[in-house]
Amino acid sequence: DAGITQSPRHKVTETGTPVTLRCHQTENHRYMYWYRQDPGHGLRLIHYSYGVKDTDKGEVSDGYSVSRSKTEDFLLTLESATSSQTSVYFCAIAGARETQYFGPGTRLLVL
Amino acid sequence: SQQGEEDPQALSIQEGENATMNCSYKTSINNLQWYRQNSGRGLVHLILIRSNEREKHSGRLRVTLDTSKKSSSLLITASRAADTASYFCAAGTDYKLSFGAGTTVTVRA
Repeated sequence: DAGITQSPRHKVTETGTPVTLRCHQTENHRYMYWYRQDPGHGLRLIHYSYGVKDTDKGEVSDGYSVSRSKTEDFLLTLESATSSQTSVYFCAIAGARETQYFGPGTRLLVL
Repeated sequence: SQQGEEDPQALSIQEGENATMNCSYKTSINNLQWYRQNSGRGLVHLILIRSNEREKHSGRLRVTLDTSKKSSSLLITASRAADTASYFCAAGTDYKLSFGAGTTVTVRA
């Protein structure tokens, strides 16, 4: 596996609470991504980053924010978690060759 | 909206047979990628084909790309039980990928 870790791997939280997921890479890749995976939808892009402090929205960005203060870390924050944000979240990284390498995923349950 | 759409949604084959799955996309792309996902795991990159390429091989994998029809196919030859997984195509543009919902392949021993 590429050097990508996600934390936490599992989280249960309550509606209305903020949640932060962390993605950490050791590959020094420029691009980092956050996706969510839900049954019947495949993976959908939430936000991505093309450099330190350079981020942009993806397909399903409402209710999510991101930050990238260092090359190796990309944080995803659910500002006020809702049950519709129950999902599996994947982080990915990519270098110049455009192939993406995925982390192991974080299972989030919002009650 | 998602670009890639796979067909069929599910495929069940006997070990040793070939598995073919198709992908269609909607707009211009830089590349088309295929990924595999084993149950409960992250996605693993299989192969990338650029928009100016028509066919590419990697081991038992063969990918074709027809940009005039906005379609791609993935062929897995001589399938093995370990090929049981979900397969996703992803349309690549400007370092972003748009994934389809995937094809679930079951290889029976």
